Amino acid sequence: DMQLTQSPSSLSAFVGDRVTITCRASQSIGSHLNWYQQKPGKPPKLLIYAASSLQSGVPSRFSGSGSGTDFTLTISSLQREDFATYSCQQNYSPPFTFGQGTKVEIK
Amino acid sequence: QITLKESGPTLVKPTQTLTLTCTFSGFSLRTSGVGVGWIRQPPGKALEWLALIYWNDDKQYNPSLKNTFSITKDTSGNQVVLTMANMDPVDTATYYCTHIVRDYDPLTGYYPRAFDIWGQGTMVTVSS
Repeated sequence: DMQLTQSPSSLSAFVGDRVTITCRASQSIGSHLNWYQQKPGKPPKLLIYAASSLQSGVPSRFSGSGSGTDFTLTISSLQREDFATYSCQQNYSPPFTFGQGTKVEIK
Repeated sequence: QITLKESGPTLVKPTQTLTLTCTFSGFSLRTSGVGVGWIRQPPGKALEWLALIYWNDDKQYNPSLKNTFSITKDTSGNQVVLTMANMDPVDTATYYCTHIVRDYDPLTGYYPRAFDIWGQGTMVTVSS
């Protein structure tokens, strides 16, 4: 199976900080990488698809980049409502695997 | 507005078969390119894709799981049923159904663009 490794597994940041989360695939997946946000007790929400396309309705402070094996999710100015767990997911080949998640907490 | 809702038992015994239903609105599984997927999340753990089905009855399953799966869509077009046999305590999780749009890559063929809209999920516990 394709492995996705996220780093860090957790981070603490202030409101207003720029935050970067990385996702590394075990083999090249082109741009077949999505990012999700999940808050406790809620389902995941799609933020970014195809590595860098912003899902409709998602604030522009979220952005994605990368291709091949290395991908990045960036939050340009962290807001209080952004404290959550973020997961990457590949749709290059089945099984369509997810990363283990990165928890973003308030500092 | 697209909505999805999962339903099924909250408790099953080991070795039993789990049947979950996803009832949706705002889209039709008779529409070309549309699909429904199932994903689960054990408590405190990562998300895991299980299966998906498209409007044309194409299906994909996670081959890494030991359960025997079946995913079907009903003829009315607004429900998808997932059946998992031989349930084990490790299958304890919140089960989600999601809306999918199928996309095409000339290099890799058809693939689900993303799990773009999710149901609220249903918690299933496997215990004797």
